[in-house]
Amino acid sequence: KNEVEQSPQNLTAQEGEFITINCSYSVGISALHWLQQHPGGGIVSLFMLSSGKKKHGRLIATINIQEKHSSLHITASHPRDSAVYICAVLLYNTDKLIFGTGTRLQVFP
Amino acid sequence: DSGVTQTPKHLITATGQRVTLRCSPRSGDLSVYWYQQSLDQGLQFLIQYYNGEERAKGNILERFSAQQFPDLHSELNLSSLELGDSALYFCASSYFHASGGTNTGELFFGEGSRLTVL
Repeated sequence: KNEVEQSPQNLTAQEGEFITINCSYSVGISALHWLQQHPGGGIVSLFMLSSGKKKHGRLIATINIQEKHSSLHITASHPRDSAVYICAVLLYNTDKLIFGTGTRLQVFP
Repeated sequence: DSGVTQTPKHLITATGQRVTLRCSPRSGDLSVYWYQQSLDQGLQFLIQYYNGEERAKGNILERFSAQQFPDLHSELNLSSLELGDSALYFCASSYFHASGGTNTGELFFGEGSRLTVL
C-alpha cells in the first residue's frame, strides 16, 4: 500500500463544476503540499498545509491531521484548471517528500 | 516564473554515458532538492542540499551523485546511464530546511530537465 493515496485517479468535469480531490496518508508528517503539473511538465506549488484550511482564489485546501486526510477543492472550475494535481507529504523531521500518484483533471467547456 | 532555473531542458544521450544537470535556486534560497519523475515510478525524492551540505537522501542510485556549490547552484550527475534512467528531473528550492520537526519552507520548482537515454 502506498504511503500517500489520492483519489480519484482521473476526473472529468464540466466548466463551472465544484471539484474535490482527496489525499490520504499513513505516515507522520510535518506538512502537506498540493502541487499542480500542466501537460508541459512544469510543477507549481499550490499550497503547503500543516493544519486547518487555506484559500487562494478559487482553490481551497484543507487538512485533518488526526484523520491523516487532505482535500483540494476547486470552485467554478475552468478549462485552464486541466492539469495533474499531486499531493505530497513532508515526512516529520525530515526534508523528504513522498508523492501521491496524482489526479488527472480535465475540465471541458 | 518560479525563479528556479534548470539546464538543459532536454537531453538525449546513449546508454553508458554520463550527463550533468544543473539547477540555480531562487535568489536567497539555501535548500536545493532533486526529484525524478518517470512513467512507471512517478515522482520520487532523490537528494537535498542545504547551504552546501547534504541534508537528506532518498531513492538515489549509486550511479547518481549531486553537489551544491558555494554560490548555491547544484548539479546532479548521472553516470553509466541505462534506458530506465529516462525521466524528467526536477529541481526545487526553499529557504528553509527541516529543523525541530517542522519545515515551513514553501517549495519552488524548476521547469525540469527531460532526459532521454537511447
